[in-house]
Amino acid sequence: GESVGLHLPTLSVQEGDNSIINCAYSNSASDYFIWYKQESGKGPQFIIDIRSNMDKRQGQRVTVLLNKTVKHLSLQIAATQPGDSAVYFCAENEGSYIPTFGRGTSLIVHP
Amino acid sequence: DTAVSQTPKYLVTQMGNDKSIKCEQNLGHDTMYWYKQDSKKFLKIMFSYNNKELIINETVPNRFSPKSPDKAHLNLHINSLELGDSAVYFCASSQAGGAGREQFFGPGTRLTVL
Repeated sequence: GESVGLHLPTLSVQEGDNSIINCAYSNSASDYFIWYKQESGKGPQFIIDIRSNMDKRQGQRVTVLLNKTVKHLSLQIAATQPGDSAVYFCAENEGSYIPTFGRGTSLIVHP
Repeated sequence: DTAVSQTPKYLVTQMGNDKSIKCEQNLGHDTMYWYKQDSKKFLKIMFSYNNKELIINETVPNRFSPKSPDKAHLNLHINSLELGDSAVYFCASSQAGGAGREQFFGPGTRLTVL
């Protein structure tokens, strides 16, 4: 079956650095992608999304890049802060409203 | 106001018992979901439900059953609890289609089966 995965299970960065979290997906028919942030003891929370007709979208301190050629998605966090420490998930949708989640990457920000 | 709420937050019970987790959303969404998150943080979809259809992940044991008394509620019933059912269960909701299909998650229910 189709799957969504992450290259790195844990990413450690220094406060103030930029972070890049990667995600590989295998379903070429996916048309909608989402990044979620899950803080300890809480549910996942929407960060940013991107549709397949775009290759870049920016939010506040976050940027999502989509490369459909190689089926790769990334989340860039600028000037990473301790509050950014969390598990990050990518999710993809193929037309329906049932997403497929990746395994998650734990981001650890050191002061 | 909490958009998606779940009760209880923690649930500790013995093997073989039957338990329920409640979920409510006040976002007016049409679709609700249940997820199971294991100790490695993997999120597994269990059910997706809207007014028209229930989509069940075929790997979910039939001891698990969703009950939806109305559009704003989707409760999870679990019969004959097993040790392997210990996990964090998340309820979520979303609009069906539309401009955004992001999901709004509840705070989770940590289930421990002894």
